[in-house]
Amino acid sequence: SQKIEQNSEALNIQEGKTATLTCNYTNYSPAYLQWYRQDPGRGPVFLLLIRENEKEKRKERLKVTFDTTLKQSLFHITASQPADSATYLCALVNNDMRFGAGTRLTVKP
Amino acid sequence: GAVVSQHPSWVICKSGTSVKIECRSLDFQATTMFWYRQFPKQSLMLMATSNEGSKATYEQGVEKDKFLINHASLTLSTLTVTSAHPEDSSFYICSARTARDGQPQHFGDGTRLSIL
Repeated sequence: SQKIEQNSEALNIQEGKTATLTCNYTNYSPAYLQWYRQDPGRGPVFLLLIRENEKEKRKERLKVTFDTTLKQSLFHITASQPADSATYLCALVNNDMRFGAGTRLTVKP
Repeated sequence: GAVVSQHPSWVICKSGTSVKIECRSLDFQATTMFWYRQFPKQSLMLMATSNEGSKATYEQGVEKDKFLINHASLTLSTLTVTSAHPEDSSFYICSARTARDGQPQHFGDGTRLSIL
C-alpha cells in the first residue's frame, strides 16, 4: 500500500540553525512533490513544488531536494527563526494528491 | 495571487442541522476543488474532488448523501454537511487548483465545525 512518512512528529532546533525535514514514500511514483506550512487552526500554505526530473529547488531560506531513487525529499530551512515554528506537510502528486502526517517544527530563541 | 477564501471560519450548531461551507477562489479560475477533513494533530484526509460542472468524486468511506458538494462555477464550491451529528465535528478545509498541469493546490483557512 502507498505510504508517506515524515521523519518525525516533532523537531526542536535552536534559532539560527538549519532545520531538515524528511519525507519518504513507498509504492508511489509522484510526478511532483510539494511542501506546505500549516499553522494551528489555519489552512496549509504552499511553499515549494519540485518535479520528478528536478533535483533541487530553492526559495529564499528554503531548499527542497527530491531523490526518486531513494524515494525521498528533504526540506531545509536555513538560518531558522522562531517565526518558522509550524507544522510542515509534504504532499505527493500523481493522479491524486496525498499528504504526509506532518512534522511540527519548533525553533527556540 | 492564488487566494482561496473559505466561509464561515467556524460554526456551532445543534445536532440535526445542515451546514453549508463555501469555498471561493478569488483571483484565479479553479477547475478543480478539493475538500479535506482534519482531526487534531493529524494530516489532511481527502474527502472528495470536484471539477467545475460535474459531479464530485468521493473518497472511499465518505458518504456522498451526507456531504453534498456542488461546484457550479469556476470560482465557487460548496460543501453541505446534512443532518450533522457530533461525530461530524471537525476542521474542514477546501483547496483549489487551476487546470494547468503541475500547479499547486491553494488552501482556504478552514472551517471549524462543532455540532452540539
